[in-house]
Amino acid sequence: GQQLNQSPQSMFIQEGEDVSMNCTSSSIFNTWLWYKQDPGEGPVLLIALYKAGELTSNGRLTAQFGITRKDSFLNISASIPSDVGIYFCATNQAGTALIFGKGTTLSVSS
Amino acid sequence: NAGVMQNPRHLVRRRGQEARLRCSPMKGHSHVYWYRQLPEEGLKFMVYLQKENIIDESGMPKERFSAEFPKEGPSILRIQQVVRGDSAAYFCASSPGVESAQHFGDGTRLSIL
Repeated sequence: GQQLNQSPQSMFIQEGEDVSMNCTSSSIFNTWLWYKQDPGEGPVLLIALYKAGELTSNGRLTAQFGITRKDSFLNISASIPSDVGIYFCATNQAGTALIFGKGTTLSVSS
Repeated sequence: NAGVMQNPRHLVRRRGQEARLRCSPMKGHSHVYWYRQLPEEGLKFMVYLQKENIIDESGMPKERFSAEFPKEGPSILRIQQVVRGDSAAYFCASSPGVESAQHFGDGTRLSIL
């Protein structure tokens, strides 16, 4: 089946640093979603992108829908301890089932 | 994850027993999706339902697994004759429409003894 490749797999950063992670696919998609999952909880939607080239911000988070429609990146600026968690990219296949990447685990030390 | 309610949060079953997982979607959402997550993996789609209808069950094992979303009440994911490999976190998501973003519950963690 179709796969989303997320990188890096994990990141260890200092509080205050900026973070960048991305997601690529061999297929073209019309939607890119970024979710964050904390331990013991479900994924929480951070940003939804619906248009090629779209750049969207949500507080310290910024995500972009790649112009080729095969990739997306998520940036977090000035990281804080509560940014710790697993970040998943996801996209819609035929408008129904979400396909998820394997996640980027973010650790922030203060 | 306000809105999508899943219960129980944790469920322990012995091999051969049945597991029933419940999901109440957010108010106003008629589309329900079930996903399974293994440790250190992303979520994998299982089934998509819209009130009383199964729309897509391509990710659900053909045997032992079934899902329903009755006119009244929560959506139910049922696993019959559970085996150790069924141990996972099962998440439910809901959306108001097929093109809308899906919002997730906090999951049911199923452990098989």
